[in-house]
Amino acid sequence: DIQMTQSPSTLSASVGDRVTLTCRASESCSRWLAWYQQKPGKAPKLLIYNAFSLESGVPSRFSGSGSGTEFSLTITSLQPDDFATYYCQQYNSYPWTFGQGTKVEIK
Amino acid sequence: VQLVQSGAEVKKPGESLRISCRVSGYSFTTFWITWVRRTPGKGLEWMGRIDPSDSHINYSPSFQGHVTISTDTSARTAYLHLSDLKASDTAIYYCARHRTSHDALDLWGQGTLVTVSS
Repeated sequence: DIQMTQSPSTLSASVGDRVTLTCRASESCSRWLAWYQQKPGKAPKLLIYNAFSLESGVPSRFSGSGSGTEFSLTITSLQPDDFATYYCQQYNSYPWTFGQGTKVEIK
Repeated sequence: VQLVQSGAEVKKPGESLRISCRVSGYSFTTFWITWVRRTPGKGLEWMGRIDPSDSHINYSPSFQGHVTISTDTSARTAYLHLSDLKASDTAIYYCARHRTSHDALDLWGQGTLVTVSS
């Protein structure tokens, strides 16, 4: 199985900050990587697919980059609605696997 | 366009359970359905997926033999069957759709809370 490791586990930031979340794969995922946002009591929401493609309806302050084993999600200007937990997921090979999540909390 | 799951369940160890995921607003056979669960200890785990057009299934080795995924095309519904439940199966279970084997999960059900307790 491809192991996905996210860092940091928790990130404290303020509204307006630029934040970058990292996801590392134990082997290459090519560009088959997605980022999801999850809020308490809600299902995950797709933000980024194929490493850098923005899902329809997602604000442009979200962007993804990387390929192979190193990926990142950047939020250019953190908004109050962005405080949540973010997960990466590889869909290069079965079984698909998720990172353990990065919680973005208010500083 | 939505995926609507069945309601919360409370089960005893050793019992079985079936969760449903009914789709609406799109052609049922156009998207595959994946099942994911979330536990406090292990986070999000991919359990398996089914192609409703031909019922081809891939299971995660971690769940093979413990879960069965199926669909009823006429009912536009996918099912997750879990057998011999354990306390460690206490989780929120989600269905989600994707177009192909190299595709992200673009729409999710609301989740079904399953509690296994004696």
